[in-house]
Amino acid sequence: DSGVTQTPKHLITATGQRVTLRCSPRSGDLSVYWYQQSLDQGLQFLIQYYNGEERAKGNILERFSAQQFPDLHSELNLSSLELGDSALYFCASSATASGELFFGEGSRLTVL
Amino acid sequence: DQQVKQNSPSLSVQEGRISILNCDYTNSMFDYFLWYKKYPAEGPTFLISISSIKDKNEDGRFTVFLNKSAKHLSLHIVPSQPGDSAVYFCAASVASGTYKYIFGTGTRLKVLA
Repeated sequence: DSGVTQTPKHLITATGQRVTLRCSPRSGDLSVYWYQQSLDQGLQFLIQYYNGEERAKGNILERFSAQQFPDLHSELNLSSLELGDSALYFCASSATASGELFFGEGSRLTVL
Repeated sequence: DQQVKQNSPSLSVQEGRISILNCDYTNSMFDYFLWYKKYPAEGPTFLISISSIKDKNEDGRFTVFLNKSAKHLSLHIVPSQPGDSAVYFCAASVASGTYKYIFGTGTRLKVLA
């Protein structure tokens, strides 16, 4: 158990819909990262937050947005969903803006 | 642009032998590298890391080697055990204040009993 909690674990929705994925980092970790893993692909970096502020941005689509709240949990919002958005979405946290990442078990999104 | 590459999608090794997983990177600014292991239906778990000021780091059965001139790192597992069967990801980052970790596509290791 990494201490990082992601909900929901599984989500099935239709094209055009909007979903929110939630992540609670390890106790005390200030930094949260979001990654997308599509079928047989590596982990694609989406976005990083540190203590409530956006720290780094990767290949995140404009239809996607994220935020980190004062209690340090984070949400990833995916809108106007397309079939190609079906993937595993991982959240990771670290104590500082650098250092080892601890991953959650992921949220599997299926868009039909 | 794949800045971190793991060119072997899969690898099979006999139990007790050495497993060598390779990773190449293109960005010479990367200065911190990590290996993660991922079992099915679980998130990746940290295995071992190395800073660019070193060329080797050891932790039990796991050793990571870094060749900066070749922009290459490798993970050695000795001896390999069936429980090591998993997908291994290498990751790299730049200490520029924005620590986004770039991951490779992974290598699926199968250790045969």
